[in-house]
Amino acid sequence: RKEVEQDPGPFNVPEGATVAFNCTYSNSASQSFFWYRQDCRKEPKLLMSVYSSGNEDGRFTAQLNRASQYISLLIRDSKLSDSATYLCVVNDGTGGGADGLTFGKGTHLIIQP
Amino acid sequence: DAGITQSPRHKVTETGTPVTLRCHQTENHRYMYWYRQDPGHGLRLIHYSYGVKDTDKGEVSDGYSVSRSKTEDFLLTLESATSSQTSVYFCAISGGRGYQGYTFGSGTRLTVV
Repeated sequence: RKEVEQDPGPFNVPEGATVAFNCTYSNSASQSFFWYRQDCRKEPKLLMSVYSSGNEDGRFTAQLNRASQYISLLIRDSKLSDSATYLCVVNDGTGGGADGLTFGKGTHLIIQP
Repeated sequence: DAGITQSPRHKVTETGTPVTLRCHQTENHRYMYWYRQDPGHGLRLIHYSYGVKDTDKGEVSDGYSVSRSKTEDFLLTLESATSSQTSVYFCAISGGRGYQGYTFGSGTRLTVV
């Protein structure tokens, strides 16, 4: 069974701080990786894709370590509006089967004023 | 935002009654998915579709059926609703299976009493 594991948190972080969380995945054939953000009682929304070379989008940086099969998300200068659950998402890498993407259960982040 | 809508947004139904949830997209995407999300379980795939009249089971398909008679519509039916099917149901769409990420609808909050 393909697994994506995340620390559920919550991570309580003061506003302006830097926070990082990781996830690990079990399927070495996975080729596409994503971070999604989900606000309370809302749908998940794509935050960013994760590329092998690492990528940055404003205050957010994503890293991929294929050898160790983990993905990280770094948030700098955190804002109150960053409070949400962050889902790590990995594709199954086969192009077939019952599921294209496997979702982690999410890490809950709370930014405190 | 991608054009994907779910209906109804909220529904309360009685045990043993059939219930149909609708997902409608205007993006002409090939792949459509139904997930349920429950505390402690994260997102779990119920069924997915890879084209008109082409569907397959996901991880938690028992008690559910789907139909896709048009590209834009993907229906999820609970044949005889049970209290264990109380959940939030999300529809998602994708142009390429697992490689581009999914776009989610706003969800349907279903309560079975």
